Amino acid sequence: QQPVQSPQAVILREGEDAVINCSSSKALYSVHWYRQKHGEAPVFLMILLKGGEQKGHEKISASFNEKKQQSSLYLTASQLSYSGTYFCGTVWNAGNMLTFGGGTRLMVKP
Amino acid sequence: SQTIHQWPATLVQPVGSPLSLECTVEGTSNPNLYWYRQAAGRGLQLLFYSIGIDQISSEVPQNLSASRPQDRQFILSSKKLLLSDSGFYLCAWSPRSGSSPQHFGDGTRLSIL
Repeated sequence: QQPVQSPQAVILREGEDAVINCSSSKALYSVHWYRQKHGEAPVFLMILLKGGEQKGHEKISASFNEKKQQSSLYLTASQLSYSGTYFCGTVWNAGNMLTFGGGTRLMVKP
Repeated sequence: SQTIHQWPATLVQPVGSPLSLECTVEGTSNPNLYWYRQAAGRGLQLLFYSIGIDQISSEVPQNLSASRPQDRQFILSSKKLLLSDSGFYLCAWSPRSGSSPQHFGDGTRLSIL
C-alpha cells in the first residue's frame, strides 16, 4: 500500500516555511525522502530509521513518528532551489521494498 | 565513489517495436538493482528489482521483462511495445544491506508513437 503524502502541491515565496507529511496505514520500519527536479531523476535527501528520529540537511529536516506511522519533512526559509517534487518512500519490514508516495509538488517563487 | 549509468537518455519507438534499456553501476559490488517507471506528473512505480545475477522479481504484470546478466548490469526489455509503455524509466541501485537509500540513474524518456 502506497503511503499518502499531503499536501499534493504547495506554492511558497522565498523565505517561507513548508511542511510535507507522509502517512502510512501500516507500521513503518524506515522512511526515505527524495527530491525530483523537473525532467531529472530523484535525488536522495535523507533516511529515518528509528521512531522519534530527526535529521537535518541544511535547512531541510525530517522527523519520524513511529506511533503515528507518519513522517514529516520541514523546509525552512525556502530557497528557489527547493522547487521540485518531494517523494517519501516507506519500508514496512527489513527486507521489504521501498514504496513511494504520490509526491508533493513544491514551487518557490521570488 | 559509486556511479550509475543509464542509456539512452531519450527514445522514440513505434508501437510493436522491441525495447532494450541498459543500466550499469560502477564502484560497488552486489548491489540491489531496480527499474521504475514514472508517468508524466505521477509517482514512481516499481517494475522490477534484483538482488543478484539472474535473480529478478517482478512487481507489476506487463509486457516488459528484466535481466541481470552481470552483477552490475540491469537490462529492461520488451518484445512489442504498447502505447501505454510511454514514460520516464529510471534505474536505481542500493547497497545490499538493510534499509539503504536508493540512487537513481538519469533516466530514459520513452515515447511510443
